[in-house]
Amino acid sequence: IQMTQSPSSLSASVGDRVTITCQASQDIGNFLNWYQKQPGKAPKLLIYGATNLEAGVPSRFSGGGSGTDFTFTISSLQPEDIATYFCQSYFDLPPTFGPGTKLNVK
Amino acid sequence: QVQLVQSGAEVRKPGSSVKVSCKASGGTFISHSISWVRQAPGQRLEWLGGIIPSFGTTNYAQMFQGRVTITADKSTSTAYMELSGLRSDDTAVYYCAREKRDGYNWGIFDYWGQGSLVTVSA
Repeated sequence: IQMTQSPSSLSASVGDRVTITCQASQDIGNFLNWYQKQPGKAPKLLIYGATNLEAGVPSRFSGGGSGTDFTFTISSLQPEDIATYFCQSYFDLPPTFGPGTKLNVK
Repeated sequence: QVQLVQSGAEVRKPGSSVKVSCKASGGTFISHSISWVRQAPGQRLEWLGGIIPSFGTTNYAQMFQGRVTITADKSTSTAYMELSGLRSDDTAVYYCAREKRDGYNWGIFDYWGQGSLVTVSA
């Protein structure tokens, strides 16, 4: 299963609403996760099962979609959200990751 | 709180092998699968394979089949990933990651190790 994301990079201001999209090459139901990765750190699970917020993750993060088209939204961008965000399918083996969206602050 | 602590950076010559360890603490080790994921410079994350320590059951990505071996030592709560036939394009940060769900499940990675840089260079 091939995963694509758009945009590849994004600049936004603190307080902005930010949305990233992810597309799967076939129907993956809701078997879709979102991760945050900051330089020098391990990936961090934010959303699993397309819409479920991982424990301890701020509620400004949310996920939506099913089938082949998914969205990831930050409702109000904070400075600490500067990172690269990846989607990942776990519909079958191997789990596959999107190329990432690099988020910068304007 | 689950913690995964990996072994340090390694430098290897092409054609050789490398073995990276991942020691778990603070949670249930044996009933959740442990996967290995790598990220080469400028590339997306890539799943190599994983193991369910309680059963010793392994799964490998087809592109690494025959080159990767994943094992686990239940007595020390440590998982290992050995990659052989190293090439320059195996240069990457290698992560271990724990599966969120117990049992035969693969793909929701809720805890990650800090990463181990493997550099392959002549």
